[in-house]
Amino acid sequence: GNSVTQMEGPVTLSEEAFLTINCTYTATGYPSLFWYVQYPGEGLQLLLKATKADDKGSNKGFEATYRKETTSFHLEKGSVQVSDSAVYFCALTYGGSQGNLIFGKGTKLSVKP
Amino acid sequence: DTGVSQNPRHKITKRGQNVTFRCDPISEHNRLYWYRQTLGQGPEFLTYFQNEAQLEKSRLLSDRFSAERPKGSFSTLEIQRTEQGDSAMYLCASSFSTGAFYGYTFGSGTRLTVV
Repeated sequence: GNSVTQMEGPVTLSEEAFLTINCTYTATGYPSLFWYVQYPGEGLQLLLKATKADDKGSNKGFEATYRKETTSFHLEKGSVQVSDSAVYFCALTYGGSQGNLIFGKGTKLSVKP
Repeated sequence: DTGVSQNPRHKITKRGQNVTFRCDPISEHNRLYWYRQTLGQGPEFLTYFQNEAQLEKSRLLSDRFSAERPKGSFSTLEIQRTEQGDSAMYLCASSFSTGAFYGYTFGSGTRLTVV
């Protein structure tokens, strides 16, 4: 079936460190891929998306590239800030799903000053 | 537009009681989704509406759960005879039907605690 696997957390980094959060997927057809972020006490927010192979989604300094050959959509940021501390969720939706999202379990990021 | 609004933010109830949550989507959006998120897990799809029609329900949605969207605007999710396993964050989201594949807007959720 369709599923999303992300790296286990929590991830703790110092400010200005490089961030990678791995995400791989299993899906029928050609899914759209997403990263959502959940800041403490807030709802899920769409961070970035990619709808076809080799697309790169980017927002707020975060990037992720849709890699069909490795079925991956890893999230990266060159220099994290304390304000990036949150839980990050990788998700997909696929052609037969009517837009319903399948989420990974989430990765908690803590950035220390 | 104030985004997707969910009420109440928190609900504590005794096992066996009924609870009802409300979601007000972004007004122009015709699709509305309900998800459930338990601690340490990602959200799981429960059901969705296009306008007032409920088009899909997850097998997670037992007979004790019912959702409505009577006029194609706000939606309610009712849980009857609550159980401790129902304790979770219940999330609502909305989108345009053509925009569902481009991500949608979530509310802040209703946290249910069954004691």
